[in-house]
This record gives sequence, C-alpha cells and structure tokens, in this order.
Amino acid sequence: QKEVEQDPGPLSVPEGAIVSLNCTYSNSAFQYFMWYRQYSRKGPELLMYTYSSGNKEDGRFTAQVDKSSKYISLFIRDSQPSDSATYLCAMSKSSQGAQKLVFGQGTRLTINP
Amino acid sequence: EAQVTQNPRYLITVTGKKLTVTCSQNMNHEYMSWYRQDPGLGLRQIYYSMNVEVTDKGDVPEGYKVSRKEKRNFPLILESPSPNQTSLYFCASRGLAGKGAETQYFGPGTRLLVL
Repeated sequence: QKEVEQDPGPLSVPEGAIVSLNCTYSNSAFQYFMWYRQYSRKGPELLMYTYSSGNKEDGRFTAQVDKSSKYISLFIRDSQPSDSATYLCAMSKSSQGAQKLVFGQGTRLTINP
Repeated sequence: EAQVTQNPRYLITVTGKKLTVTCSQNMNHEYMSWYRQDPGLGLRQIYYSMNVEVTDKGDVPEGYKVSRKEKRNFPLILESPSPNQTSLYFCASRGLAGKGAETQYFGPGTRLLVL
C-alpha cells in the first residue's frame, strides 16, 4: 500500500465549476501538507501549504486537512481554463531540515471553456 | 529571478552510454534533490544533498550517482543507463530552516529516453 494515495483522474469539468481534489494517507506522523500544481512540460510549483488539521484559503483555492481521517482536499472555486494542470498532493513529518516529501501520483485536471 | 535550471531538457541515449544531467540553483539553498516522475508512480526521490559534500540516498537510488562539490550545483550521473531509467527527471532545491524552508523549487525537468 502506498503511503499517499491520489486518484490520477483524468478529471474534466466545465469552466466555473467547483473542483474537489483529494488524497488519503496512511502515516499518522505526517504534519505538513502541500499541494503542488504542474503545468504540461513544467516542473511542479507549490500552490498551498498547511500545517496539521484545518482549512486554509487563498483566493479561489481552499486546502482542507482532516488528520483524524487521514484525508486532505483541495477545492478550486470558479474554475478557469488556466487551472488545467496536474495537481500533486505532498506531505512530510517536519517543515525543516532533511524532511522528506512524499507525493501522491497526481490528478490531471482539465477545465473546459 | 529565483530559479532551478536543468540541462539538457531532452535526451535520447543508448544503453550503457554514461550521461550527466546538470542542475543549478541561484537561491543559495542548502538542500537539493533529484526526483524521477513516472506515470502512476508520482514523484520519487533518487538522491538528496543537505550541503556541499553531503549526499544521501532517496527511495530509488540504484543506477544513479550524484555529487555536490559546489553549493549551487547538483549533477545527476547515470554511469550505465538502462531502459528502465527512461523517465522524466526533476531537480529541486529549498532552504533548510526558517521562513520559506517549506517551499521546494523545482527545475523544468529533463525527459530521458534510453534505447
């Protein structure tokens, strides 16, 4: 069983829809949770970063962490064609030092105009 | 502009022919690492380095070597490439402590095909 599971999709939705992307994990030691966005032919870039349980909002993006269920989500409101990308969840036990990031497989998202 | 650069971006080679993929960052980051990305498997860490002359294995180090002689550079070496090393490779860097240490910066990727 993988430490982090993410539905690879692909996921295709119309412009303006609310998108929900999810990951589950098995290691309860994970404390820091991230979402990276990767455009085609580019490297991943950090989109959202949260610590422990709770919600964090940044514009149209909301990251949610439920440590009791070992489940994290990324919500995109009013989705735009420019949001079309692969979204990778990642998590780690520490925020400093040689903390190892463990990634999900990534979900390919397409927003149709 | 803060960035991680990799070269080459695309490479086709044959089994057994040694190759090096270069990686350089301009952010004075201590921590650098190499990942490979394969369909269905996500990003897996190959090697990482905490600082100059300090390197360690990641999850999938077999068949790869690295060196860290300068802080800004972290080349990935395939001494005898094999077809199962065909993949998309990313170099990444970040600081080790303080504000911003949680942000890992990735290079643009190197797509390698080993025939």
